[in-house]
Amino acid sequence: NAGVMQNPRHLVRRRGQEARLRCSPMKGHSHVYWYRQLPEEGLKFMVYLQKENIIDESGMPKERFSAEFPKEGPSILRIQQVVRGDSAAYFCASSPSIGQPQHFGDGTRLSIL
Amino acid sequence: EDKVVQSPLSLVVHEGDTVTLNCSYEVTNFRSLLWYKQEKKAPTFLFMLTSSGIEKKSGRLSSILDKKELFSILNITATQTGDSAIYLCAVEHPNYGGSQGNLIFGKGTKLSVKP
Repeated sequence: NAGVMQNPRHLVRRRGQEARLRCSPMKGHSHVYWYRQLPEEGLKFMVYLQKENIIDESGMPKERFSAEFPKEGPSILRIQQVVRGDSAAYFCASSPSIGQPQHFGDGTRLSIL
Repeated sequence: EDKVVQSPLSLVVHEGDTVTLNCSYEVTNFRSLLWYKQEKKAPTFLFMLTSSGIEKKSGRLSSILDKKELFSILNITATQTGDSAIYLCAVEHPNYGGSQGNLIFGKGTKLSVKP
């Protein structure tokens, strides 16, 4: 029973490029969450999705960031025109239903040169 | 502003010691409080607490929630070097529709257990 799978584990981009982070939830989980962890900071909520729907994106920066969870395939967090401040660990979590705990993937470490 | 505060921020103990980690919160529309253990990779789920005064236990770890005083504690007895990690406390915050929402995390307590 595989856990939450994120890839890539590490991603290096130059300023101005695009970053795509992927997350496959645990089998049977239809709720996906993205969090960002900056150095010396706690995990910060970004966006909550169910299949084909964004439920809550109150933690997403208004520009350059977008997320999707298509009917088929993984959830994608997309960052356009990356800047140095986007360097962080991005974690994905999933849960099977309302009221159940979220389970996390190993994260993607994004580094911007 | 909703917030979760953990204390202490770091703690060094020796094997066999008992530790208590604290988590206080100020959150509107509280639904549940969760504890996670984070080593080098993914935060690993430990406990989910929804009711006051009911202790949850798993081996040497236990946790309890006080919804009146707005805090929770995580106890680890007979600590081992493998308990060394960052322990994260998070409070579930329902989204606008009232369904399951995002987690608001504290900054964590870094526990180091020396042999």
